[in-house]
Amino acid sequence: DGGITQSPKYLFRKEGQNVTLSCEQNLNHDAMYWYRQDPGQGLRLIYYSQIVNDFQKGDIAEGYSVSREKKESFPLTVTSAQKNPTAFYLCASSPGPIEAFFGQGTRLTVV
Amino acid sequence: SQQGEEDPQALSIQEGENATMNCSYKTSINNLQWYRQNSGRGLVHLILIRSNEREKHSGRLRVTLDTSKKSSSLLITASRAADTASYFCATGINTGTASKLTFGTGTRLQVTL
Repeated sequence: DGGITQSPKYLFRKEGQNVTLSCEQNLNHDAMYWYRQDPGQGLRLIYYSQIVNDFQKGDIAEGYSVSREKKESFPLTVTSAQKNPTAFYLCASSPGPIEAFFGQGTRLTVV
Repeated sequence: SQQGEEDPQALSIQEGENATMNCSYKTSINNLQWYRQNSGRGLVHLILIRSNEREKHSGRLRVTLDTSKKSSSLLITASRAADTASYFCATGINTGTASKLTFGTGTRLQVTL
């Protein structure tokens, strides 16, 4: 089936660790995005990519890093520099400057 | 900072009633979109309205856009219990092949039988 797959669904991180969240799409979309959602809040843009090997910072990029080596994949690394990483992370893709298609999210918890 | 702000934050109605949610934003946009989120899930796109459009319909959904007031509204007619979810507006600014979306804080809709 076509769509966006995020993994894992739940992720636990120890203090000081880097963790990588996976996002894969088979929709042949050029643009991909990462958002963070805190409880009772809207989504905030972390990074987005319009094409392979290119990405731009969003509103809250500090403490995060991304790569876009393949069109299908846009992994997000939450580094130890991110002091409050516990949140719900959502990946999305779009075929152009129109609607975005979202994955089911990864819930990251610091333990 | 959030571009869009939804009003009300929460709305509780009975099945069969209409639900209206409002969204205000601050800067010029290329489009405005509405999304739905069930608890703990990803977002689902509902409808997109471009900056040169004033009204759009899709099934039981009606969206209006007033660029002079920088506001939009989403009307869900004849609501159903299955419409219970959070609804978000998102303003889109086109950047080449992408649309940089900025989301509001959402309206939590509860539809009771």
